[in-house]
Amino acid sequence: NAGVMQNPRHLVRRRGQEARLRCSPVKGHSHVYWYRQLPEEGLKFMVYLQKENIIDESGMPKERFSAEFPKEGPSILRIQQVVRGDSAAYFCASSPGGQIADTQYFGPGTRLTVL
Amino acid sequence: GESVGLHLPTLSVQEGDNSIINCAYSNSASDYFIWYKQESGKGPQFIIDIRSNMDKRQGQRVTVLLNKTVKHLSLQIAATQPGDSAVYFCAENMGGGNKLTFGTGTQLKVEL
Repeated sequence: NAGVMQNPRHLVRRRGQEARLRCSPVKGHSHVYWYRQLPEEGLKFMVYLQKENIIDESGMPKERFSAEFPKEGPSILRIQQVVRGDSAAYFCASSPGGQIADTQYFGPGTRLTVL
Repeated sequence: GESVGLHLPTLSVQEGDNSIINCAYSNSASDYFIWYKQESGKGPQFIIDIRSNMDKRQGQRVTVLLNKTVKHLSLQIAATQPGDSAVYFCAENMGGGNKLTFGTGTQLKVEL
């Protein structure tokens, strides 16, 4: 009964490199969400995806950030040309449906450090 | 604006006492609220939720109270245990989608 899986758990990148964060939702869940958390702050919504569709990307920075959730395989959050300000914990959540009261279950997160 | 680097509010309780964690939410149109627990180095863990058409909901050792008049949410933990030590976040769904808006969090410390 695996929950949300994220990898890698820790990722170190130098400024200008690319970061790829992966998320496998709970088996049977077709709705995926990405959130970012800075130290001692709450999570901030980034993007909401269903299989092959971006539903809401209102929290995504306009440049360098992209997300996908293909028909097969995990959801990917991609950050191009990383900067120090991208250092944060990135959490993925999944839910069985897209209704308001469909509980979102979170993964353990990927901690990105940009040197 | 953003608050960066501020220390979280902290609630210290004795083991066995009851804990009350408070949260003020921002949008009177929000219709779904959730409490999450986050331990150090881990992802948020669902505790309990409540819809806006309710003012109280109980779970195992936890109760959530919703006061829509003053836009206030609280989490009560009965007989607090050392394993309850964590940061607690309230989150609201403002409708029009399924994204959650999180509060800043409260650090709960349980003293033996």
